[in-house]
Amino acid sequence: EVQLAESGGGFVQPGRSLRLSCAASGFIFDDYAMHWVRQAPGKGLEWVSSISWNSGNIGYADSVKGRFTISRDNAKNSLYLQMNSLRGEDTAVYYCAKDSGPAMAEFDFWGQGTLVTVSS
Amino acid sequence: QSALTQPASVSGSPGQSITISCTGASSDIGAYKYVSWYQQHPGIAPKLIIYEVTNRPSGVSNRFSGSKSGNTASLTISGLQAEDEADYYCSSYIGGNTLGFGGGTKLTVL
Repeated sequence: EVQLAESGGGFVQPGRSLRLSCAASGFIFDDYAMHWVRQAPGKGLEWVSSISWNSGNIGYADSVKGRFTISRDNAKNSLYLQMNSLRGEDTAVYYCAKDSGPAMAEFDFWGQGTLVTVSS
Repeated sequence: QSALTQPASVSGSPGQSITISCTGASSDIGAYKYVSWYQQHPGIAPKLIIYEVTNRPSGVSNRFSGSKSGNTASLTISGLQAEDEADYYCSSYIGGNTLGFGGGTKLTVL
């Protein structure tokens, strides 16, 4: 059974940093691209960042480019999102999602999400 | 970044069919086969219901179907049931290692 478990969310002041983690199990992690998607309170889904199976291809939404860094450790079956210079508009539930293949196509399994609140 | 446009809301009565559109551009929906649809009930993570325009994952009801014409993708739900009431989002690969979502459509079952 595919399982994705996000952690690392919490309350943080504007300008500070936070690192999210996603522990994956139930599938061969290094066969698949992975993604971060967020959802602000009461709002729609927003794609944040994606990374291919071997980290060779990485993409970011314009809203986070230069501030967020996605990475993965295939030996640890883990996905990460380093978030720097956080802003109030980064407040959201952050979901880790698995792709259906090694490149970037769609999100076939989702974690339950971790809430990040940016406020002074 | 994403310019995928969905209607904010649609509604239908039990047993009826509804269609939700997702309009993009020749550079996203019109260019790639990676159009997908997600169902989200309140407080729960989204669930993939259609991938690669027309395909249903295992376990998803055959009442859900997808299609694409030009730069517009569509999700059709037939035989509406109360449990279908949820938010629905389209997504597409838009090139350059980027993806995008539509703004979401709230389905109300009357």
